[in-house]
Amino acid sequence: QKEVEQNSGPLSVPEGAIASLNCTYSDRGSQSFFWYRQYSGKSPELIMSIYSNGDKEDGRFTAQLNKASQYVSLLIRDSQPSDSATYLCAVNSGSARQLTFGSGTQLTVLP
Amino acid sequence: DGGITQSPKYLFRKEGQNVTLSCEQNLNHDAMYWYRQDPGQGLRLIYYSQIVNDFQKGDIAEGYSVSREKKESFPLTVTSAQKNPTAFYLCASSMIRFGELFFGEGSRLTVL
Repeated sequence: QKEVEQNSGPLSVPEGAIASLNCTYSDRGSQSFFWYRQYSGKSPELIMSIYSNGDKEDGRFTAQLNKASQYVSLLIRDSQPSDSATYLCAVNSGSARQLTFGSGTQLTVLP
Repeated sequence: DGGITQSPKYLFRKEGQNVTLSCEQNLNHDAMYWYRQDPGQGLRLIYYSQIVNDFQKGDIAEGYSVSREKKESFPLTVTSAQKNPTAFYLCASSMIRFGELFFGEGSRLTVL
């Protein structure tokens, strides 16, 4: 079992819709959770971090964390074509003492 | 502007050659990292450093070497021992170990 798994996609949504990206992790001791956006050919950019159960909102982005079920999700409201990118989930696994990245979900927002 | 500068952005290497990728940060971050990314895959940790003159191996350190002589600088050498070095190399830094990482623009290495 991979330590951090993401739905591989690709995921396509129409402009203005809500895009939902999911990530599950295996280490129950994980403490910190991050979402990065990576445009094709570019480096990852941090867009959200979440540390406690519940929702965290930042503009059109909402991160949701459920430690009991070991998943973290990212919702993008009012999706725009400029949101088209690969989204990487990263988990700070306490036992592994490092940041483990999922393989990413490619999102395409159709005009 | 604060940030992380990687150079070169593109590099071609012949088999059997060592190459060194530069990474400099002016964010005053203690921790620095090197990751490797292959097409369609996530990031894999090569090395990381929390303080000057100290660094730790990541998951795929074989064939790579690093140094941390200054807080601002964390160069990566890809040696001829690395069997499949063609990849996108990303340098990152953070205030605390494996906290919020900030990435440089990356260096794309191609072995001819």
